[in-house]
Amino acid sequence: DGGITQSPKYLFRKEGQNVTLSCEQNLNHDAMYWYRQDPGQGLRLIYYSQIVNDFQKGDIAEGYSVSREKKESFPLTVTSAQKNPTAFYLCASATLLAGESSYEQYFGPGTRLTVT
Amino acid sequence: SQQGEEDPQALSIQEGENATMNCSYKTSINNLQWYRQNSGRGLVHLILIRSNEREKHSGRLRVTLDTSKKSSSLLITASRAADTASYFCATDASGTGRRALTFGSGTRLQVQP
Repeated sequence: DGGITQSPKYLFRKEGQNVTLSCEQNLNHDAMYWYRQDPGQGLRLIYYSQIVNDFQKGDIAEGYSVSREKKESFPLTVTSAQKNPTAFYLCASATLLAGESSYEQYFGPGTRLTVT
Repeated sequence: SQQGEEDPQALSIQEGENATMNCSYKTSINNLQWYRQNSGRGLVHLILIRSNEREKHSGRLRVTLDTSKKSSSLLITASRAADTASYFCATDASGTGRRALTFGSGTRLQVQP
């Protein structure tokens, strides 16, 4: 059963605490991505990784950190430095094609983080 | 910054009618993709159109691309209540060295049964 999984589905944290969101894929995709989505808005890119042990900042990386120690896994840590962490977080993976950013991206079900 | 901007922001139609959504973008692209998102769920890829293509079909979906106007449209024919969702365009900008998609703000489609 191939796909991309995120856990947990809902996460609640107190302000000032770091929290790590999990993302795992068994599609053998090279690239993985983290997006943030606020209510009624589109997706904004936080971080992405094209290869193990390498990753790049997206448009809104401040207050977030990632690691890519395994091809299958790309966890996202929301640190206490992130001013407004409450949001819906989506992870995606994709094959990279020469000359293009990616073919289709496959998305996980998302994690809804609430920080109070 | 949002590369793609969808229009309209929201659309409500009756079942059986056609739905058209538009996307405008700012820079040169390698390809443009359309995704669908049901409320509270992940996105699902619908269709990809490359910069050298002008039109593409997939089932009830028809996508056009006009690179001179930097715009694309998604047409859903004979809509069904199950088509109710948000639809996003995403662009793969060329020449930036950044191998990642940029998503627009989406069109929320409501299909009334």
